[in-house]
Amino acid sequence: GENVEQHPSTLSVQEGDSAVIKCTYSDSASNYFPWYKQELGKRPQLIIDIRSNVGEKKDQRIAVTLNKTAKHFSLHITETQPEDSAVYFCAALTGANNLFFGTGTRLTIIP
Amino acid sequence: GAGVSQSPRYKVAKRGQDVALRCDPISGHVSLFWYQQALGQGPEFLTYFQNEAQLDKSGLPSDRFFAERPEGSVSTLKIQRTQQEDSAVYLCASSLAAGDDTQYFGPGTRLTVL
Repeated sequence: GENVEQHPSTLSVQEGDSAVIKCTYSDSASNYFPWYKQELGKRPQLIIDIRSNVGEKKDQRIAVTLNKTAKHFSLHITETQPEDSAVYFCAALTGANNLFFGTGTRLTIIP
Repeated sequence: GAGVSQSPRYKVAKRGQDVALRCDPISGHVSLFWYQQALGQGPEFLTYFQNEAQLDKSGLPSDRFFAERPEGSVSTLKIQRTQQEDSAVYLCASSLAAGDDTQYFGPGTRLTVL
């Protein structure tokens, strides 16, 4: 089955700097990779996703890259702001239509 | 429009009690998923419906867990004879179509078993 690993588990960056979170997956059949942001006590919110037919996608300050050969994908947040502080989860969608999630990264933006 | 809603938001149960958790997906969404999120962890898949058909229940941790979606819209996750290890947030998600990957999550039900 699928196994998704996520690093780092915690990340602190100065406001205005960039943050990078990395994930690897094991199932080469996985073809869809969303990133969710979850604030304390709130629902996971989709912030960006990428499908296996593209290598990079960008939406304003957020970008995701995918390397299918190496089976890893990364989230990049530029010009970080205090409201970016949250837990971020990567996930991979298997052929069985199930999302497998990483263990999360707690991002703290230092003002 | 309205997003995925879940009720109750919080549930406290004594060990051995049965509980029922409700999910209202986004109107018209065909696919519905249940996940379990333990404290400090990522959500873990429990079960998946396409309309009223339960296509995958491989993630249900034991036969005490049962889910249904009889009319293809609202779903209920039932846990019988609750145990302390069942304490978690139970998240529901829906997606528009069977082939649509994007899943939208509800706020979850936080279950505490004493």
